[in-house]
Amino acid sequence: GESVGLHLPTLSVQEGDNSIINCAYSNSASDYFIWYKQESGKGPQFIIDIRSNMDKRQGQRVTVLLNKTVKHLSLQIAATQPGDSAVYFCAEEPGNQGGKLIFGQGTELSVKP
Amino acid sequence: KAGVTQTPRYLIKTRGQQVTLSCSPISGHRSVSWYQQTPGQGLQFLFEYFSETQRNKGNFPGRFSGRQFSNSRSEMNVSTLELGDSALYLCASSPLTSGGETQYFGPGTRLLVL
Repeated sequence: GESVGLHLPTLSVQEGDNSIINCAYSNSASDYFIWYKQESGKGPQFIIDIRSNMDKRQGQRVTVLLNKTVKHLSLQIAATQPGDSAVYFCAEEPGNQGGKLIFGQGTELSVKP
Repeated sequence: KAGVTQTPRYLIKTRGQQVTLSCSPISGHRSVSWYQQTPGQGLQFLFEYFSETQRNKGNFPGRFSGRQFSNSRSEMNVSTLELGDSALYLCASSPLTSGGETQYFGPGTRLLVL
C-alpha cells in the first residue's frame, strides 16, 4: 500500500497551549491537502483543507501551513482543549486522481487538563 | 444533511467467507471512496466510484471489489477472507467531479476475521 502506519507519534500538550502537528507528504504532484481528526471509534472528521496554490489557510482555532519546497504540511491548533485529544491525519490528493487520498501515519494529540 | 452512513457497523466472519459492506453517501454526493484502516498499515485507499464507474483503484488484490448504484450508494465486497483483512473499512463521499473537493467519512465498518 501507499500509506505506511508504524509507531504513532504522540504530542502531549497542556490545555490552553498551542499545538503544532507536522506532516511530510510524498508526492510533489499532489495539489490538494486535508487535515482530519479521528476520535476513538469514529471515522475521520474534516478539519481544514488547502490547495497547492496557497501556503496558509486559517479556520476557527486552526491554521494549516503548506511548504511545497520541502513537501511539508503543518496544523496549528490555538488554545488546545481536552476535546481536541484525538489522532490527526494529513492527507494528500495526487494530481489528476480525484477521489483518492494518500494518508500520513497520524499523530496522537493528548491534551492534559 | 445526513452524514455518510455505513452498514453494518460490526461484523465477524471466518476465513474463506465473503463479506459485503454498504455505504450511503451524503445526499447529492456522487463520488464514493473506500479505505481500509489497520494499526500496521494505517489508512489505505481501496477504490473510488463516480457515476457507477470505478475511476481509481488502490494496490489491493482482486478479492476486493466494489460497485456503485444509480442512487450513488456503494457496496464493497471481499471474497475469500483472510485473517489480515481484519480492519476498519471506511467510506467517504464527495460531490467530486474533477478533484480537489473534501471527502467526508462515515463511521466505518469494523470487520473481524477469525
